[in-house]
Amino acid sequence: ILNVEQSPQSLHVQEGDSTNFTCSFPSSNFYALHWYRWETAKSPEALFVMTLNGDEKKKGRISATLNTKEGYSYLYIKGSQPEDSATYLCAGSGNAGGTSYGKLTFGQGTILTVHP
Amino acid sequence: GAGVSQSPSNKVTEKGKDVELRCDPISGHTALYWYRQSLGQGLEFLIYFQGNSAPDKSGLPSDRFSAERTGGSVSTLTIQRTQQEDSAVYLCASSLGPAGDYNEQFFGPGTRLTVL
Repeated sequence: ILNVEQSPQSLHVQEGDSTNFTCSFPSSNFYALHWYRWETAKSPEALFVMTLNGDEKKKGRISATLNTKEGYSYLYIKGSQPEDSATYLCAGSGNAGGTSYGKLTFGQGTILTVHP
Repeated sequence: GAGVSQSPSNKVTEKGKDVELRCDPISGHTALYWYRQSLGQGLEFLIYFQGNSAPDKSGLPSDRFSAERTGGSVSTLTIQRTQQEDSAVYLCASSLGPAGDYNEQFFGPGTRLTVL
């Protein structure tokens, strides 16, 4: 079973601050790590999918890194804006043949609030 | 192109009644997922379809819950004899292939189920 944990649970920052949060997962039986952004009253939207140790992905002011050997991923937001306020979810899937292969196991999410 | 759609968007029902929730995935997506989010909880996996078969239904909370998918497309989640603890937002997602194959998931807007 893939247990995915996120920290912190919530975060309040001021506009312009840079911030980061953590997703941890068991390094064994891991295949892929997903990050999603879920804004209020909208559907979760994929940010990144990563699978290789050392992967770094970037989309605008948001970037993510992956360390599969130690079982963690960081999501960074540079120069936070109020429109970045959302719940950020990470999710993991397991290797083929394992019980976690076809599905995503989500963490509880980090709720980010960016104050103007 | 069209995204994932779900119907109804809201459903209020009385305890003990049966409900059906529908999901129309993105055309060509072979994998389809059902999740739910109860108040104050994270996204909880319910069931995963690859084509019309369900390799993993481990998340269905009880035998009152069932789901089917026909024609490799539309899926229906049925909850029999609803209970108040079934109240939640039910989300459907689809992807080109299984989550274990590096495929991001596209989510629908959800169905908010309230059991009185």
